Amino acid sequence: TQLLEQSPQFLSIQEGENLTVYCNSSSVFSSLQWYRQEPGEGPVLLVTVVTGGEVKKLKRLTFQFGDARKDSSLHITAAQPGDTGLYLCAGVGSGYSTLTFGKGTMLLVSP
Amino acid sequence: NAGVTQTPKFRVLKTGQSMTLLCAQDMNHEYMYWYRQDPGMGLRLIHYSVGEGTTAKGEVPDGYNVSRLKKQNFLLGLESAAPSQTSVYFCASSYGRREAFFGQGTRLTVV
Repeated sequence: TQLLEQSPQFLSIQEGENLTVYCNSSSVFSSLQWYRQEPGEGPVLLVTVVTGGEVKKLKRLTFQFGDARKDSSLHITAAQPGDTGLYLCAGVGSGYSTLTFGKGTMLLVSP
Repeated sequence: NAGVTQTPKFRVLKTGQSMTLLCAQDMNHEYMYWYRQDPGMGLRLIHYSVGEGTTAKGEVPDGYNVSRLKKQNFLLGLESAAPSQTSVYFCASSYGRREAFFGQGTRLTVV
């Protein structure tokens, strides 16, 4: 089973704070994706990381893929209330047909 | 650009009733998926399809059937609804085993 474990499950912070959420697995993934899901909506793709050690930036969000391609992190700088949502990581391991999703990190940013 | 469209958005069923959820995508994607999302359980794959006329079971297929008669449509059927099938259902599509694009979800309550 190519389980993706996300931590923390829930994070409540104040506007302006920095945070990091994690996505870990014992399996190797050819790529990992991060999605954000807002209440009442479907998940929306933020980024895909493909190469071990890769770092991608999307405004205040920084995504990193582990060197061994088994883990990934998402760092948000100076969080804003608009960052509130469920952050999901997903990946396709070798030999599998479909994406596997982690259970997500629920982020609440208060003004 | 519609992307992935799900109908209906909300539905209340009585135990034992049947219904069909419709998913349509206009991106010419080969892969289509049905997930259910429950609190604390993350996104769980029900069934998926890798092309017109093909379907396969996911993680939680029991009580559901699917059909992919046309490339752009993926139907999810509940033959005899049970309260355990109360959930939010998401359809998604992708180009191969890559980034998934999600619909806005169907909130189903079975009483």
